[in-house]
Amino acid sequence: DVKVTQSSRYLVKRTGEKVFLECVQDMDHENMFWYRQDPGLGLRLIYFSYDVKMKEKGDIPEGYSVSREKKERFSLILESASTNQTSMYLCASSIAGGSHNEQFFGPGTRLTVL
Amino acid sequence: QQQVKQSPQSLIVQKGGISIINCAYENTAFDYFPWYQQFPGKGPALLIAIRPDVSEKKEGRFTISFNKSAKQFSLHIMDSQPGDSATYFCAATIQGAQKLVFGQGTRLTINP
Repeated sequence: DVKVTQSSRYLVKRTGEKVFLECVQDMDHENMFWYRQDPGLGLRLIYFSYDVKMKEKGDIPEGYSVSREKKERFSLILESASTNQTSMYLCASSIAGGSHNEQFFGPGTRLTVL
Repeated sequence: QQQVKQSPQSLIVQKGGISIINCAYENTAFDYFPWYQQFPGKGPALLIAIRPDVSEKKEGRFTISFNKSAKQFSLHIMDSQPGDSATYFCAATIQGAQKLVFGQGTRLTINP
């Protein structure tokens, strides 16, 4: 079974704090994704990585950065958390190549910024 | 921006009824349309998907209907069960693009 794990299920931080969200997948997938999920807005892509040290901006990258030093690990960084970054954050992975590849999601991290 | 518009945002159906969720897209280059199902406390998981060369795909009680000319597709859940209560997302992508464009999501509740 593909397993995508996220470091925390719930996280509470204060405005201005630096926040790290970690994601690990165990299926040797090349692609990894970070989304945020908000009611009525669906899943919006923040960043995408298709290889180690490679990254590509998604639809809403402002206020976020990412790091991928190892194939299995993809980190989302909030340099200075703000209240409008309170959300559910989902990590996903998929294999590269092929025509259409299923994305496998982690359980999510619910981040609250006070 | 490529968009997929999904409706309704929430839906309540009685047990045994038919649940219908609709999606519309703009980009005619999209060539793969998956649906993801998300239970509370879990991440989304692939439920069923369709390519535009067919008008319908059925897997058990779940059916995708696809209308290429109208640029619309829909998920039908027959004989809806309380265990189907979840949030459903439609999505679209282009071959080789690796990324999905998701709809806004539909929270489905099946009353017993």
